Amino acid sequence: AQSVTQLGSHVSVSEGALVLLRCNYSSSVPPYLFWYVQYPNQGLQLLLKYTTGATLVKGINGFEAEFKKSETSFHLTKPSAHMSDAAEYFCAVIKYNFNKFYFGSGTKLNVKP
Amino acid sequence: DGGITQSPKYLFRKEGQNVTLSCEQNLNHDAMYWYRQDPGQGLRLIYYSQIVNDFQKGDIAEGYSVSREKKESFPLTVTSAQKNPTAFYLCASSPKALTQGGRNTEAFFGQGTRLTVV
Repeated sequence: AQSVTQLGSHVSVSEGALVLLRCNYSSSVPPYLFWYVQYPNQGLQLLLKYTTGATLVKGINGFEAEFKKSETSFHLTKPSAHMSDAAEYFCAVIKYNFNKFYFGSGTKLNVKP
Repeated sequence: DGGITQSPKYLFRKEGQNVTLSCEQNLNHDAMYWYRQDPGQGLRLIYYSQIVNDFQKGDIAEGYSVSREKKESFPLTVTSAQKNPTAFYLCASSPKALTQGGRNTEAFFGQGTRLTVV
């Protein structure tokens, strides 16, 4: 069963526009949730994570995400896109009592001048 | 600086040859992981290790082998039994096994090794 679904393998926005990357998870127990960013031929860098506490999580580079249990979602947003945000973004979860990350298939963000 | 080092960054091998990818971390992390990345498929777990001298198969372990003789090292061998070895391989580590949970739960990734088999 798919644990993480990222809607849209490619998203294109104009510089200065809102960035919204969608992530939904399937889990009967609220998991730990993560967003990672990957630049070409590079490893993954953690943008932000939700483990416990406040459901609105702020990360690096102006990104934030909100954990919505009722919608089983953890969408990533940024108010104003910058050219340097062009990269591939991965949503991931750790399910309770499982010793691994479940990664989504990734969303490539293109930022147009 | 502390981090995870994968080497080499690019690796070319002939079909039928075994090849070993290096992963070293100086973060004093207990757990280490190997992932394979293919376009459009996200990351898939090959093997993981929670402590020295112990490792477990992930979702796609066939054709791969690992060892964990030292805390800081977790090399991956891609054997000739792996049918489609050409891929981008990522090594990661976490402070403790992910099942232990807690606010510090996260994984740190190396820069990857791109393996091409010709």
